[in-house]
Amino acid sequence: DIQMTQSPSSLSASVGDRVTITCRASQGISNYLAWFQQKPGKAPKSLIYATSSLQSGVPSRFSGSGSGTDFTLTISSLQPEDFATYYCQQYNSYPPTFGPGTKVDIK
Amino acid sequence: QVQLVESGGGLVKPGGSLRLSCATSGFTFSDCYMSWIRQAPGKGLEWLSYISGSGSTTHYADSVKGRFTISRDNAKNSLHLQMNSLRVEDTAVYYCARVGDLAAAGSADYWGQGTLVTVSS
Repeated sequence: DIQMTQSPSSLSASVGDRVTITCRASQGISNYLAWFQQKPGKAPKSLIYATSSLQSGVPSRFSGSGSGTDFTLTISSLQPEDFATYYCQQYNSYPPTFGPGTKVDIK
Repeated sequence: QVQLVESGGGLVKPGGSLRLSCATSGFTFSDCYMSWIRQAPGKGLEWLSYISGSGSTTHYADSVKGRFTISRDNAKNSLHLQMNSLRVEDTAVYYCARVGDLAAAGSADYWGQGTLVTVSS
């Protein structure tokens, strides 16, 4: 199985900050990388698929980049509703696997 | 709008069985691949299974292969997960999800609210 790692595991930031989360795959996954946001007690929400394509309705302050094994999720200006846990997922091969998550909380 | 509503969770003893359902609306169900994904309490996400629109193709995670069976009823716009030989480590919130990006192994675009399965004696 392809192993996914994320860094940092958690971060504290302020409203308006630029936030970057890194995701690394144990082997190349082309651009088959998705990002999800999850708030406590809620279902995950899809943000980005195919590395950089925003799901419908997702604000443009979210962006994704990368290829091969290294990927990033960037929030250009953190908003109060963005405090959550973020997961990356590779879907290049079965089984699709998720990273362990990055918790973004308020500084 | 797309809606996915899971049901069927609950408390079951180790070795027991449970059948989860996911009622869908707001999209052409038979055109869409669907998945089950779970999350153990306080843990991350684990992909479990995937089924094609016609139901002819399925995939499973090794952790559930041979114990869980995914199926669908396109006439009723519903997805199911039959879970047998349940173990304590199967305790989790189970989500159904629509596969939006069909490239490669597929990635979910819409998720249900989840249903809690607790396996305990």
